[in-house]
Amino acid sequence: GESVGLHLPTLSVQEGDNSIINCAYSNSASDYFIWYKQESGKGPQFIIDIRSNMDKRQGQRVTVLLNKTVKHLSLQIAATQPGDSAVYFCAENIQGGSEKLVFGKGTKLTVNP
Amino acid sequence: GAVVSQHPSWVICKSGTSVKIECRSLDFQATTMFWYRQFPKQSLMLMATSNEGSKATYEQGVEKDKFLINHASLTLSTLTVTSAHPEDSSFYICSAGLRIGGSNQPQHFGDGTRLSIL
Repeated sequence: GESVGLHLPTLSVQEGDNSIINCAYSNSASDYFIWYKQESGKGPQFIIDIRSNMDKRQGQRVTVLLNKTVKHLSLQIAATQPGDSAVYFCAENIQGGSEKLVFGKGTKLTVNP
Repeated sequence: GAVVSQHPSWVICKSGTSVKIECRSLDFQATTMFWYRQFPKQSLMLMATSNEGSKATYEQGVEKDKFLINHASLTLSTLTVTSAHPEDSSFYICSAGLRIGGSNQPQHFGDGTRLSIL
């Protein structure tokens, strides 16, 4: 849904642990979802995407899960490393519509050595 | 992978100056380019959508006369912040989108421009 709010949710994990970052989206018509990673002072970097005809997609050390029933998206990062520390955003899109993305609020992930 | 170059990365200028930011897709022809603004510890806020050869579409509340967008080619879009004032200070980010076979592909982002107006 539309991103509002002044404070980023935070997640702190130990190096080597698995991380799960959650995202709730608001538009039931959205059918394309993307996770981005944003490091300090940089633009968002594409991590993984998923379309609504799937409920799970895996990449290298990352897995995205989509639950359309409750409009929930999650990003799982396996064996989290210090380099994974960043802000993670989910974004939603409607394939038959414009290319506009609606970004979630973001979650700040901190990985402790 | 797709590369989007944004320039300059950092600008400091006096109030009243106009500032131009360039966004280039280096290895693909973008269907559409987007301009975002990001405040500290907040998400990206879409300002406008830009298509080559046509007028940009601005989001509600964004002043089109303040934020001029030109999209001269499939690989270049520019954002000009006219007569900038301290409240225009922000992190501006562009992205380039691509549609393949009618299917939207992930937008790829530039590394942003930090604009500070004194």
